[in-house]
Amino acid sequence: DGGITQSPKYLFRKEGQNVTLSCEQNLNHDAMYWYRQDPGQGLRLIYYSQIVNDFQKGDIAEGYSVSREKKESFPLTVTSAQKNPTAFYLCASSPRGVNGYTFGSGTRLTVV
Amino acid sequence: KQEVTQIPAALSVPEGENLVLNCSFTDSAIYNLQWFRQDPGKGLTSLLLIQSSQREQTSGRLNASLDKSSGRSTLYIAASQPGDSATYLCAVPRDNYGQNFVFGPGTRLSVLP
Repeated sequence: DGGITQSPKYLFRKEGQNVTLSCEQNLNHDAMYWYRQDPGQGLRLIYYSQIVNDFQKGDIAEGYSVSREKKESFPLTVTSAQKNPTAFYLCASSPRGVNGYTFGSGTRLTVV
Repeated sequence: KQEVTQIPAALSVPEGENLVLNCSFTDSAIYNLQWFRQDPGKGLTSLLLIQSSQREQTSGRLNASLDKSSGRSTLYIAASQPGDSATYLCAVPRDNYGQNFVFGPGTRLSVLP
C-alpha cells in the first residue's frame, strides 16, 4: 500500500543534541512538507519542498534544517538552536497540481 | 495573508445527533479546501477534498459544503457515533499554486454513548 512513513514514533533528545526525523513516501508525490503541532496552537509549517534538491522555509524554520536528495525522502533535523523542540512533528506530501495532502502518523519529540 | 478559523473549539453531543462543524477563511481565492480528522497522538486522515468549482462533497455520513464568496465551509456529520470522537481540522492553500496549506485550529468532538 502507498503511504507516508515517519520514524521513529517517539524520540527523546538531550539538550544540545541534534536529531533527525525521517519521512519517506511511496506515493510518487512531488511535494513534501513538515509541520509542527503544539497543544492549542494547531499546525505550523516548518519547511516544504516542491521538487527534488529544492526547499523553502515555512513560518517557523529557525532551528530546523531539511534536505531533499530523493523524491521519496524529506528528513528534518532539529538542531540545538531550536529553543523549544518538544512537540509533535507531522510530515505530509501532495501530488503536483491542485490536490490535497496525505499525512504520516507523526513523531513525538521530547527533550530531556 | 490567509487565516483559517473554526468554531466551535469543542463540541460534545449524545450519540445519534446530527451536527455541523464550521470553518472560515479570510481569502476567498482558494483552489480547494480539505477536511481532516485527527485522533489523539496520531497523524491527520483526509476526509473530504472540495475543489473550488464544487459546492459540496459527500462520503458516507459526512457532507462538506463550500461557499467561496462568504469564505465558509461546513462539515455535516449525520447520525453521530462514539467512533466519530476526534479533532476535525479544515485547511486551505496559502498560495496560488494550490498547495502549501494553512490549517484551522480544529474542533474537538466528543460523541457520548
